[in-house]
Order: sequence, then structure tokens, then C-alpha cells
Amino acid sequence: LAKTTQPISMDSYEGQEVNITCSHNNIATNDYITWYQQFPSQGPRFIIQGYKTKVTNEVASLFIPADRKSSTLSLPRVSLSDTAVYYCLVGTGFQKLVFGTGTRLLVSP
Amino acid sequence: GAGVSQSPRYKVAKRGQDVALRCDPISGHVSLFWYQQALGQGPEFLTYFQNEAQLDKSGLPSDRFFAERPEGSVSTLKIQRTQQEDSAVYLCASSREPRFGMNTEAFFGQGTRLTVV
Repeated sequence: LAKTTQPISMDSYEGQEVNITCSHNNIATNDYITWYQQFPSQGPRFIIQGYKTKVTNEVASLFIPADRKSSTLSLPRVSLSDTAVYYCLVGTGFQKLVFGTGTRLLVSP
Repeated sequence: GAGVSQSPRYKVAKRGQDVALRCDPISGHVSLFWYQQALGQGPEFLTYFQNEAQLDKSGLPSDRFFAERPEGSVSTLKIQRTQQEDSAVYLCASSREPRFGMNTEAFFGQGTRLTVV
């Protein structure tokens, strides 16, 4: 797993778009970028994964620039229920997930 | 069931007591993981099983921690002579593949919150 750096915390208000950027300067050619979301009192859950350019699903979008040294998780029009910790993981072929401290997002009314 | 199930959800143990935490992974999932999560921290890896084989136990903090998955499905994490520093949420996860790559994800249970008093 490549080393990643992401902000410790972010604050937002309901209805705003939230962008969380993860830096991964040592990403390898075959590595994927994966984000997990953890709500309070629950285990983490997979939300999105990508290799390059842009990926979108019903939960979020993931933007990956051409050099792939960073990625941005975008949450459109957040609600209170998006308050969670978001983890960025980079790698492939690994046997276990290694989580950092993640980004703690607090959405306020 | 549809997801990973852990029991009990909450456990209070007196210091020195032994505890056993159970994990029912998603049926057919090859990989099973145990994580420990302290308050305000990310999950810390404890151990990994591929079917019944424990391939990685590098994260177990001491020989008081023991995990097993004898038939390659249900797993138990046992902590002997619990200490206050063992207080944490213990998360179990399973995955259908032996390694993570594209379109491979881990499914986590809700965890067992252990409080040692």
C-alpha cells in the first residue's frame, strides 16, 4: 500500500459540495485508489474506487488527475447523514487493508 | 445473512477476565480480517485468515490475543486476562477474494465494543 496524506478534518454545511483530497506521491503503475466511509458506531464501508480520470456512482465522484499523484473524493450536496470519517487507500494485490486516521467530515445544519 | 455479523455488540469485562468475540462473515468469503479501533483512530489490523489458515497475525498486540477460524467460516477472537488498554471496538471484515484489487472490497461488521473495567 502506498503512503497517503489527507486532511485530518473538514467542516461543511448541508447542501454544499465537499471535496476531500488525498495525496499519494508514490503511487505505483498498477495501484488503484479506493475510498472507504465510516459512520459513527459502524464499520467502514467501500464507497468508490478508480484508476484514472473520473469515476461516479450514486454516492460520490472520484477525480484522478493524469499524474495520479493525488485524488479527490467529491460529495455533492452533503446532508447531515454524510458526517463520517473518510479513508483513502492506494494499492493493489495487497492482502490486508491498512487504514490511516482518515478525514473526519462534520456536516452542520 | 446478507452482511457480516458480530456478537456481542457490547461487552463489559472485569480486568483479568477472558472474553470471546464472534464473527460470522458473508458466506463463501475467502478472506476474514480482525481490526481493533480505538476512539478517534482508524482501524488497526490484527490478523488475517484465508479460509481456515491464519496467514498474518502480525497485528496481534500480545500473546493474550488469539484468533481462530477452524472451518473457514465463523471466526472467534479471544482475549485472555483482559486489561484496560484492550478497551476498543473490534471489527471483523470479510472479502470474497484473497487479495484486494479492482472491484474487490472488504465488508465490515458493526463491531463489538469491549470495555474493560
